[in-house]
Amino acid sequence: DQQVKQNSPSLSVQEGRISILNCDYTNSMFDYFLWYKKYPAEGPTFLISISSIKDKNEDGRFTVFLNKSAKHLSLHIVPSQPGDSAVYFCAASEGGSQGNLIFGKGTKLSVKP
Amino acid sequence: DGGITQSPKYLFRKEGQNVTLSCEQNLNHDAMYWYRQDPGQGLRLIYYSQIVNDFQKGDIAEGYSVSREKKESFPLTVTSAQKNPTAFYLCASSIQKGGNNQPQHFGDGTRLSIL
Repeated sequence: DQQVKQNSPSLSVQEGRISILNCDYTNSMFDYFLWYKKYPAEGPTFLISISSIKDKNEDGRFTVFLNKSAKHLSLHIVPSQPGDSAVYFCAASEGGSQGNLIFGKGTKLSVKP
Repeated sequence: DGGITQSPKYLFRKEGQNVTLSCEQNLNHDAMYWYRQDPGQGLRLIYYSQIVNDFQKGDIAEGYSVSREKKESFPLTVTSAQKNPTAFYLCASSIQKGGNNQPQHFGDGTRLSIL
């Protein structure tokens, strides 16, 4: 049974608009959440993370929101750029970064010029 | 330049052969990890090591073996017992000590194919 779910396999957005990628989880013990970006034939690149004591973390164009009661997190990219086109993975762990990461299946984002 | 190096980038294996994938890091990270990615899937943990000379099985360890003789190196052997070895293999590392959460950082992967 999947503990981390990314229900949208793909998302298409116009350049300059907001991209919102969603992630749901089932394990209430998860306390550390991360987003990674991945290009084909490359390793994932860490984007942004959030611990369960916060509900928002921002880094430049990237903001992650955490709703613990709904067991839901989202990644907002504003404004979206064509170079953001990639697969985005959500990951979660129990025990902070000492715990093992559980990954979602990814969402492929396409940003059109 | 600090980072995680995986070699080779592409690897071919004949049926019944063992093959070893290399992972080296010069980040002075304590922990190292091996993941497998299949098409349309997320990453699944094969093995991990939080300290030299110690390692633990992940979710899909069957048919794989590892060693951690040096802090910088965490090679993965795909044995002939692994029935479906064709996949993209990713190595990662992270800092374990300290009070703040630290993300895992990944190498660029090795694609293994069966001839």
